[in-house]
Amino acid sequence: QQQVKQSPQSLIVQKGGIPIINCAYENTAFDYFPWYQQFPGKGPALLIAIRPDVSEKKEGRFTISFNKSAKQFSLHIMDSQPGDSATYFCAASIRGNTPLVFGKGTRLSVIA
Amino acid sequence: DAGVTQSPTHLIKTRGQQVTLRCSPKSGHDTVSWYQQALGQGPQFIFQYYEEEERQRGNFPDRFSGHQFPNYSSELNVNALLLGDSALYLCASSPLGGAASYEQYFGPGTRLTVT
Repeated sequence: QQQVKQSPQSLIVQKGGIPIINCAYENTAFDYFPWYQQFPGKGPALLIAIRPDVSEKKEGRFTISFNKSAKQFSLHIMDSQPGDSATYFCAASIRGNTPLVFGKGTRLSVIA
Repeated sequence: DAGVTQSPTHLIKTRGQQVTLRCSPKSGHDTVSWYQQALGQGPQFIFQYYEEEERQRGNFPDRFSGHQFPNYSSELNVNALLLGDSALYLCASSPLGGAASYEQYFGPGTRLTVT
């Protein structure tokens, strides 16, 4: 049973566009929702994370929107650049130092 | 400040063999988790070590075992390798306690190919 469902599987946007990646979770005990960026041949890098007590968090060009009632959260990338082309993973966990449950990933391509 | 390091980078093994992968956590971190990432998939949790003990374990067989040393570094051992064990093995570290314990930082991974 997949606990975190991520969509779309792949996404192509023009430079300057705003790609949006969505995730839905099932376990209401989840209380930490990070996004990771992974380039080919590299490990996932922590981008931004949110706790359920806020509905939005911004860090630079990256924004997480969180809807607790719908059990959904999404990543927006403002003014996307070709260098943002990577695979993005959403994840969730319960309390600190518990296993991260990952979505299946979204391959983003930003074309000039 | 060195991040999470892993060795080796790549490894090719034959079915039935055994393999050991190594990880050094980020400075100041005392908890190490191991994940398996199959091609085109998200990472799957294998197990977590803290204070040299396995604290949590995912849905992986006993062929997967680990160890944590007093300096917080860790090893992942896989016995009786199967073709399906071919994957990127990721180590993640985190500090125990406080808000920062939620953040897990990943190393570059070890690409294991089983032939």
